[in-house]
Amino acid sequence: GAVVSQHPSWVICKSGTSVKIECRSLDFQATTMFWYRQFPKQSLMLMATSNEGSKATYEQGVEKDKFLINHASLTLSTLTVTSAHPEDSSFYICSAKREGTYEQYFGPGTRLTVT
Amino acid sequence: QKEVEQNSGPLSVPEGAIASLNCTYSDRGSQSFFWYRQYSGKSPELIMFIYSNGDKEDGRFTAQLNKASQYVSLLIRDSQPSDSATYLCAVNRDSGYALNFGKGTSLLVTP
Repeated sequence: GAVVSQHPSWVICKSGTSVKIECRSLDFQATTMFWYRQFPKQSLMLMATSNEGSKATYEQGVEKDKFLINHASLTLSTLTVTSAHPEDSSFYICSAKREGTYEQYFGPGTRLTVT
Repeated sequence: QKEVEQNSGPLSVPEGAIASLNCTYSDRGSQSFFWYRQYSGKSPELIMFIYSNGDKEDGRFTAQLNKASQYVSLLIRDSQPSDSATYLCAVNRDSGYALNFGKGTSLLVTP
């Protein structure tokens, strides 16, 4: 068990448009999910912590109005990149924390390219 | 700034040898320690976690934790070329659930 899916796996969009990425825990419940961003040859950067039924907690320097997070159920969190710009092009990865543990399981990631 | 430090490598070992990966962390309040494997272009995969001082073994992998020295390591026995990847050390932050990641150690297992 501990499978996390993400959709889409890759997306190309034009500058100024919005993109929504879904993260689902398929075989376990996750009241807490996390969104990361990873630029080439760099480590993971935590963007925000998503809690089911409450507002997300954003890391310092991450614009909450640009990266909208919704965690409406115990198995689904979404990240919407609003008014995307080329500098938002990156690999976005979600993780889900298994209930009762500290373990986080990652989705396969979404590669976003903004043209 | 709470940090997790890893040698970036690359660490090169011959097939069949033991690969030893090391990590130090600065947050004394950390309770949970993880090793993830990340292949190029893919997302991280959890391979080991350890919460208590000492050793924890799972197949060819052994995680070692020394909280007094703020040190965690991963040993990979009988290394295979398929083990070639970047290994990320992660430590929980501020006694909560969020993780701080190291920058990763690149491991190359040569046939």
